[in-house]
Amino acid sequence: DVKVTQSSRYLVKRTGEKVFLECVQDMDHENMFWYRQDPGLGLRLIYFSYDVKMKEKGDIPEGYSVSREKKERFSLILESASTNQTSMYLCASNQISGNTIYFGEGSWLTVV
Amino acid sequence: QKEVEQDPGPLSVPEGAIVSLNCTYSNSAFQYFMWYRQYSRKGPELLMYTYSSGNKEDGRFTAQVDKSSKYISLFIRDSQPSDSATYLCAMIANSGGSNYKLTFGKGTLLTVNP
Repeated sequence: DVKVTQSSRYLVKRTGEKVFLECVQDMDHENMFWYRQDPGLGLRLIYFSYDVKMKEKGDIPEGYSVSREKKERFSLILESASTNQTSMYLCASNQISGNTIYFGEGSWLTVV
Repeated sequence: QKEVEQDPGPLSVPEGAIVSLNCTYSNSAFQYFMWYRQYSRKGPELLMYTYSSGNKEDGRFTAQVDKSSKYISLFIRDSQPSDSATYLCAMIANSGGSNYKLTFGKGTLLTVNP
């Protein structure tokens, strides 16, 4: 079974803090993704990576950055957290030729 | 017009009912279609995947695709309380190199009452 692990399930951070969300997949997938999910807005793609050190902006990259130093690990960084970044963050991965993706359990971030 | 439209519900049915969940789309390039199930405070899990028009059955679940009408459906037979979740449709174009571009519906919240 595909396993996408998000190490932090629930976080509470203060405005202005730097936040790291970590994701690890164990299926040797080339592609990895970060989404956020908000009520009424659905899933929105923040960033994706198709190889180590490679990244592309998704639909809502503002306020976020990413890091992919190893194939299995993809990190989402909030340089200076703001209250409007309170959300559920979902990591996902797939093969480069894959037509579907596999999600982690999600990280609930509250910024106060 | 949004690329993918999905009625958000909520949809509430009695146990044992047949459930029909639907999405419409506007992009004729979409070739692959998926349904995800998402339980409360969990990540989406892949439920069904299909790439051709017609029906695909898996136990109590049937995915139906009508490319001519740009319409996909998920049917759940003999619905159970454990089917209570949000169901997301997703689709992707076969445009080589853009395989990251999965487009999601906003999800339909389903409650099956015992």
